[in-house]
Amino acid sequence: EPEVTQTPSHQVTQMGQEVILRCVPISNHLYFYWYRQILGQKVEFLVSFYNNEISEKSEIFDDQFSVERPDGSNFTLKIRSTKLEDSAMYFCASRGTSGRTNEQFFGPGTRLTVL
Amino acid sequence: AQSVSQHNHHVILSEAASLELGCNYSYGGTVNLFWYVQYPGQHLQLLLKYFSGDPLVKGIKGFEAEFIKSKFSFNLRKPSVQWSDTAEYFCAVNGGISGGYQKVTFGTGTKLQVIP
Repeated sequence: EPEVTQTPSHQVTQMGQEVILRCVPISNHLYFYWYRQILGQKVEFLVSFYNNEISEKSEIFDDQFSVERPDGSNFTLKIRSTKLEDSAMYFCASRGTSGRTNEQFFGPGTRLTVL
Repeated sequence: AQSVSQHNHHVILSEAASLELGCNYSYGGTVNLFWYVQYPGQHLQLLLKYFSGDPLVKGIKGFEAEFIKSKFSFNLRKPSVQWSDTAEYFCAVNGGISGGYQKVTFGTGTKLQVIP
């Protein structure tokens, strides 16, 4: 069964450094998402991406964040200057067509630790 | 805006006990409803989903959920829990707008601890 993959599984970085989290969505999917889960809290929506542009973003997704689909397979989340409060599990998800019966498939997550 | 409420934050049950986790949602239109499970140290897995049709949906591992539109609820049930069901359970909703970008909104989660 096809699945969403994410690398790395765990990233440790110093405050102020840039990080890029990588995702490979399911190959024929068209909609891509990033979510995050701060330890002990609920999963929160960050951004959705369709047709090579951001379609919706949350308040969390400020200028420090950006997303990109650099080629036909990867979908990345960049944090330009990490803060301590960016420490969280980041989940990528993808979805097929626009039909309402298409669910989002989540990747295993990248645990980001900012020191 | 869509929102999800899960009223039980932490539930402790003995093995073989029955489980019901509450979930209420708020959304002005057609919704898709989900229950996800997150086992310790693992990622989110879909337990079951409701899009349309029979309001009683059955998922993996013996779980089921009932969509009650009049109560805006989608409670998760299992007749007899096992120790291996120890996990965190998230109710989630997205707007069922055809063509929409359909972000998923999650509840705060319920930690289930099953005691052998």
